[in-house]
Amino acid sequence: TQLLEQSPQFLSIQEGENLTVYCNSSSVFSSLQWYRQEPGEGPVLLVTVVTGGEVKKLKRLTFQFGDARKDSSLHITAAQPGDTGLYLCAGAPNAGKSTFGDGTTLTVKP
Amino acid sequence: DAGVIQSPRHEVTEMGQEVTLRCKPISGHNSLFWYRQTMMRGLELLIYFNNNVPIDDSGMPEDRFSAKMPNASFSTLKIQPSEPRDSAVYFCASSLLLAGGIEQFFGPGTRLTVL
Repeated sequence: TQLLEQSPQFLSIQEGENLTVYCNSSSVFSSLQWYRQEPGEGPVLLVTVVTGGEVKKLKRLTFQFGDARKDSSLHITAAQPGDTGLYLCAGAPNAGKSTFGDGTTLTVKP
Repeated sequence: DAGVIQSPRHEVTEMGQEVTLRCKPISGHNSLFWYRQTMMRGLELLIYFNNNVPIDDSGMPEDRFSAKMPNASFSTLKIQPSEPRDSAVYFCASSLLLAGGIEQFFGPGTRLTVL
């Protein structure tokens, strides 16, 4: 059983469209991280959300942590081909051991 | 600043051979993680160290896998003997363990192919 469920698994959209991907769990997390991984590279940390209800913005990316700290979402406005990649959420329900979701593979077509 | 350094980047070996993967974490980080990534199983945590001490190795597949961290700037993951099902990308990550969360910095990975 996957502790962090990500959806959708795959998403293919046209440049300029908006999208939202989700990271859900039945467990409470003290924080959640979002990473982006491009082919042939390691995951790169995008953001950490800590407080329930928190919203963080990174240019066209908006991250939200659920009020109960069990879920998170990533919204991308006006997607660009450079946004293509695998988006992973991660959290540590127990101190010191992070778990990763299976990720959402995003393809943005020019 | 140098990020996490892994070597080799690619390794092709034959079944039964010993494979050693190497990692140099970011200076000052006190935690180090070894992951394996495959299409079927995603990103799996194999083992992690805190202050050079193995804390949780429950993700290590079997006795053929072993990991060491002799000092704060170096870690190895060894597979002996290797099998075709070990083929995957192996990532090393390091972090500065803070209360309330872990932000990990990943290396570029080692792509292992066992024939």
